[in-house]
Amino acid sequence: AQKITQTQPGMFVQEKEAVTLDCTYDTSDPSYGLFWYKQPSSGEMIFLIYQGSYDQQNATEGRYSLNFQKARKSANLVISASQLGDSAMYFCAITHQAGTALIFGKGTTLSVSS
Amino acid sequence: NAGVMQNPRHLVRRRGQEARLRCSPMKGHSHVYWYRQLPEEGLKFMVYLQKENIIDESGMPKERFSAEFPKEGPSILRIQQVVRGDSAAYFCASSPSRQARRNPTDTQYFGPGTRLTVL
Repeated sequence: AQKITQTQPGMFVQEKEAVTLDCTYDTSDPSYGLFWYKQPSSGEMIFLIYQGSYDQQNATEGRYSLNFQKARKSANLVISASQLGDSAMYFCAITHQAGTALIFGKGTTLSVSS
Repeated sequence: NAGVMQNPRHLVRRRGQEARLRCSPMKGHSHVYWYRQLPEEGLKFMVYLQKENIIDESGMPKERFSAEFPKEGPSILRIQQVVRGDSAAYFCASSPSRQARRNPTDTQYFGPGTRLTVL
């Protein structure tokens, strides 16, 4: 069975600072994908970034990057130059193949202050 | 290029009534997934469908819940005889056709969700 653990219930950061949101995972499947989603207070789920288990490079999407450490089974999200609009709940998720369920962690609430 | 559409956005039902939640996937997407989010929790998988087929319903309660994705029209998640514990946000996600095994995942894009409140 696959599992995602997000140990930080809440994180606080000042505008323009970088922040790292932790995610560790557990899976016995050698092939899997890791995702991060953002859920603002309005409630929608916004896809941020994806990392495949076979990808050699860490994924980056604008201000988002994924610090993928396969041996440690961690996939931390790094947000550079935080903005007030980054305040939201962030979820890490895993799936082992296309067409299967995403397994989500419990999420981390990020609060960005000016 | 419309995203995943869900309606209604908010639904209020009394105990014992039926709830019907609709989801139209993104254009070109043939896979639909339903998830439920209880307050202060992450999303939990319920069911995965392709057109006219239920592929995986392992996360769906055996009673009162059903889902379909007909050849024409949106996917429907149906909850019969709702109870207070069914109050949650229900999200639909869609993805394109399954990719090759070497690239094992398709990104699932989520709709805005339906907030169901059972009085």
